[in-house]
Amino acid sequence: AQTVTQSQPEMSVQEAETVTLSCTYDTSESDYYLFWYKQPPSRQMILVIRQEAYKQQNATENRFSVNFQKAAKSFSLKISDSQLGDAAMYFCAYRGAQKLVFGQGTRLTINP
Amino acid sequence: DTGVSQDPRHKITKRGQNVTFRCDPISEHNRLYWYRQTLGQGPEFLTYFQNEAQLEKSRLLSDRFSAERPKGSFSTLEIQRTEQGDSAMYLCASSLAGIHQPQHFGDGTRLSIL
Repeated sequence: AQTVTQSQPEMSVQEAETVTLSCTYDTSESDYYLFWYKQPPSRQMILVIRQEAYKQQNATENRFSVNFQKAAKSFSLKISDSQLGDAAMYFCAYRGAQKLVFGQGTRLTINP
Repeated sequence: DTGVSQDPRHKITKRGQNVTFRCDPISEHNRLYWYRQTLGQGPEFLTYFQNEAQLEKSRLLSDRFSAERPKGSFSTLEIQRTEQGDSAMYLCASSLAGIHQPQHFGDGTRLSIL
């Protein structure tokens, strides 16, 4: 079975600084996708960024980028120029055959 | 496109009662998923549909849980004889077919068992 581990329950960063959230996963599948979702307090889960396992190039979406290390089964999220609106729970997720498998989440606090 | 909508947003009920939640997916999405999220945890997969067919159920889905998607559009999740441990946020998501397709989530239904 696939597992996703986020080892940082909480992280904080100063506004405008850069922060990196860690994620590792375990799978025996060769074709899969990895996602980072953001869940603000009492609001819906929003897709932040996704990465296909076959692509070596790291995905980038504006201030969000990933460091995908396939051999190490690592998929970290870097948020540059942190903004107050980035404060949320961030979930790393793995998708193989059908379903999403989520990590435990990292609560990100932005300090003004 | 109004996104995935779930109803109700909150449900408070006494232990032993039955509850039913509804999810309306994005209209062109043929896949619909149910997840359960407890406080401070990531969502856990419960079940999913492709059109009206229920293709996978998690072992988390006990006999007290049943889900339907009768016409391949909206879905309902029913919990019979609710227990304290059923208290959670129940999330619905929808997507197009294909593992590269992202799942779009609704706001969830928060269930509280008294």
